[in-house]
Amino acid sequence: GAVVSQHPSRVICKSGTSVKIECRSLDFQATTMFWYRQFPKQSLMLMATSNEGSKATYEQGVEKDKFLINHASLTLSTLTVTSAHPEDSSFYICSAFYHPSGQETQYFGPGTRLLVL
Amino acid sequence: SQKIEQNSEALNIQEGKTATLTCNYTNYSPAYLQWYRQDPGRGPVFLLLIRENEKEKRKERLKVTFDTTLKQSLFHITASQPADSATYLCALGLDAGKSTFGDGTTLTVKP
Repeated sequence: GAVVSQHPSRVICKSGTSVKIECRSLDFQATTMFWYRQFPKQSLMLMATSNEGSKATYEQGVEKDKFLINHASLTLSTLTVTSAHPEDSSFYICSAFYHPSGQETQYFGPGTRLLVL
Repeated sequence: SQKIEQNSEALNIQEGKTATLTCNYTNYSPAYLQWYRQDPGRGPVFLLLIRENEKEKRKERLKVTFDTTLKQSLFHITASQPADSATYLCALGLDAGKSTFGDGTTLTVKP
């Protein structure tokens, strides 16, 4: 099946710094990728839709200036958490939309655990 | 308001039995519905997709039903094994590939 990777898998940073998370589709091209955030014992909350070559679409309540998304190629999307604060500590997961033979499916990356001190 | 509800946060069953998980939704009209498995500290893994015009779909020990009148999907794991223990998420397929997820049901299969 399709493989999506994320880097780093875990990051600890100081409050006020910025953190970049990469999401790559390894064996397919993804014109659309999604970024989710998941707090403990909660479900995935969609943050934004990342479209290759155009601006990301953010969900209501997500600050676009704080969570910068860049989808520069068909296999790479990045999420930068700017001026991170402890409340940004969470599990960030990306997914790539892949639809072989009409079966729309999202393939998820393994996630990035962010801890802001 | 729009809502997705998965039955009970936790489900405990004995090995060999059939696990049945429920996903109910209100005020959505999904084109399809997906089920994912998520292990602790990992991203979700796709299991099955069922479209609005399909009643049932099977894959090995997994079976999914989709009733758009009841606005409900049932997810069955037959001959359950301890390795099936995980959190199972249902997700409604909306426009442009976006999905909205339920809170998940944590299944524990006891040997």
